[in-house]
Amino acid sequence: SYVLTQPPSVSVAPGETATITCGGDSIGGRSVHWYQQRPGLAPVLVIHYDSDRPSGIPERFSGSNSGNMATLTISRVEAGDEADYFCQVWDSSSDHRVFGGGTKLTVL
Amino acid sequence: EVQMVESGGGLVQPGGSLRLSCAASGFTVDGNYISWVRQAPGKGLEWVSVIYRGGITYYADSVKGRFTIYRDNSKNTVYLQMNSLRPEDTAVYYCAREFCSTDNCYMANWGQGTPVTVSS
Repeated sequence: SYVLTQPPSVSVAPGETATITCGGDSIGGRSVHWYQQRPGLAPVLVIHYDSDRPSGIPERFSGSNSGNMATLTISRVEAGDEADYFCQVWDSSSDHRVFGGGTKLTVL
Repeated sequence: EVQMVESGGGLVQPGGSLRLSCAASGFTVDGNYISWVRQAPGKGLEWVSVIYRGGITYYADSVKGRFTIYRDNSKNTVYLQMNSLRPEDTAVYYCAREFCSTDNCYMANWGQGTPVTVSS
């Protein structure tokens, strides 16, 4: 089965840029989706199809995907961005959905 | 407004059964793909199952043969029947509406989750 690898944690100071990675074999050939989960709440979609933002998601959130790595970038980080972030792909060989292990973003 | 409300969670003994419900509003369940995703305490998200518009279903290997996803169009509700429950099934269970293209699916809307605890 397909495996997605994320760093367990990322820390960044307010106003700086946070970069969260999602590694997978030739992941650049797949579409990657990203979810934000604040403590105690349900996940929220923040990026779909590698780099598209749903309505209501700030422009500070962006994504890219190439080779063996997809990246979620959060510019001008705010305290409210502190959350867990999960990447996800669809495994066409099985029709299963696959999540990365998640990255906890801490705003210092 | 799109809304999904899960219910049916609770405490159950190992080997027991539970049925979760996901009641939808603002869209029809038979016109969409609906997934169940779970999150064990302090852990990440794990996809569990999906039901397609045409009724096709898929399951994670960890629950195949024990869980069944189905829907009642008249109630606009998707269910997850969970049998032979194990302690490792303990988690918050979320339902999610998916948007799909020809080669990919993402979870656009999520419910608030319902907790399931499997313990003696």
